[in-house]
Amino acid sequence: EAGVAQSPRYKIIEKRQSVAFWCNPISGHATLYWYQQILGQGPKLLIQFQNNGVVDDSQLPKDRFSAERLKGVDSTLKIQPAKLEDSAVYLCASSSLRGNTEAFFGQGTRLTVV
Amino acid sequence: DAKTTQPPSMDCAEGRAANLPCNHSTISGNEYVYWYRQIHSQGPQYIIHGLKNNETNEMASLIITEDRKSSTLILPHATLRDTAVYYCIVTRYNFNKFYFGSGTKLNVKP
Repeated sequence: EAGVAQSPRYKIIEKRQSVAFWCNPISGHATLYWYQQILGQGPKLLIQFQNNGVVDDSQLPKDRFSAERLKGVDSTLKIQPAKLEDSAVYLCASSSLRGNTEAFFGQGTRLTVV
Repeated sequence: DAKTTQPPSMDCAEGRAANLPCNHSTISGNEYVYWYRQIHSQGPQYIIHGLKNNETNEMASLIITEDRKSSTLILPHATLRDTAVYYCIVTRYNFNKFYFGSGTKLNVKP
């Protein structure tokens, strides 16, 4: 089966600019996650969707970050305006609702804010 | 979710077994132990999970102590491709939420 697709793979922007990341989860997966991974640290959960509803966004910096999952499939994560400390890899993952199953991760988008 | 503690790094000789420990002394009865690994420049990859019984799949074995307060991930014959950061995560059944710590950097050496 096809894995989690993310684009772009790399992005360089100047601070105060905006940026958007796109994620296409594995077909049929109801749960979708966005993680932020700063260099040298483990991934940090930003937001979790179940279908098109938000389950957990407690660690999402809502003053500048937003995410949506239209029609319960694809998702976009936006940062506006970006700060230097937003430089990180943004990982998307998906999992099935059926039982206690693992999350499958995409390759991530590496964002550099200069 | 229960907190986990892992050593920051470990070395292993190629071809030998790699035993990666994880402490989760506050684990609850309905919490599972999951292991993921992250090879450089890739997203995390699921390895194995278990509740209380030992588990084995094509990638690894998971040994959970009887009191469930710690576990060990075993890679039976480590290869250079197993060099990665290994994460131990504890999460509730059907919770489908994965919080990552700092993990253990496993260096497999020739």
